[in-house]
Amino acid sequence: DSGVTQTPKHLITATGQRVTLRCSPRSGDLSVYWYQQSLDQGLQFLIQYYNGEERAKGNILERFSAQQFPDLHSELNLSSLELGDSALYFCASSVVGANTDTQYFGPGTRLTVL
Amino acid sequence: LAKTTQPISMDSYEGQEVNITCSHNNIATNDYITWYQQFPSQGPRFIIQGYKTKVTNEVASLFIPADRKSSTLSLPRVSLSDTAVYYCLVGDVIIQGAQKLVFGQGTRLTINP
Repeated sequence: DSGVTQTPKHLITATGQRVTLRCSPRSGDLSVYWYQQSLDQGLQFLIQYYNGEERAKGNILERFSAQQFPDLHSELNLSSLELGDSALYFCASSVVGANTDTQYFGPGTRLTVL
Repeated sequence: LAKTTQPISMDSYEGQEVNITCSHNNIATNDYITWYQQFPSQGPRFIIQGYKTKVTNEVASLFIPADRKSSTLSLPRVSLSDTAVYYCLVGDVIIQGAQKLVFGQGTRLTINP
């Protein structure tokens, strides 16, 4: 158990819909990361937040957005969903986000878009 | 952005030592090398991290030559439970306090009885 929690575990929805994935970091961690893992794309970094502020951006689509709240939990919002958005979405957290930090990953949310 | 290259797959047997090598020719001066392990449908798990020479922990060793253009993860006496995908990552620091890890395709390690 990494200490990072993600809800829900599974999500099934239809194309065009909007969903919100939630992540609670390990106690004391200030930085949160989001990753997408699909069969054909591997594990892709989406975005990083540090203490409520966006710090690094990866291959995140404009239809996706994220935020980190004052209590440090984070939400990833996916809108206008397409079939290709079906994937495992992982959240990770680390202490500060330095390049020597270990990232602790949550169990993931499996999103299926029908 | 330092790209990494690893073998797509490897096979070994229980009790053997397994070495997985990763190439990262354009690694930057302030980049660290980190290895993660991932089991199916689970999030990656940190194994080991190093900057140069050799690092050892209770799980693995990491060998990094002086030029840092490659690294080798060594798993001693593997067991069936070591069957997983192993990712070599080179951290790309964009700004202070930011970390953008780039996961490649990883190495799918299969341990046979």
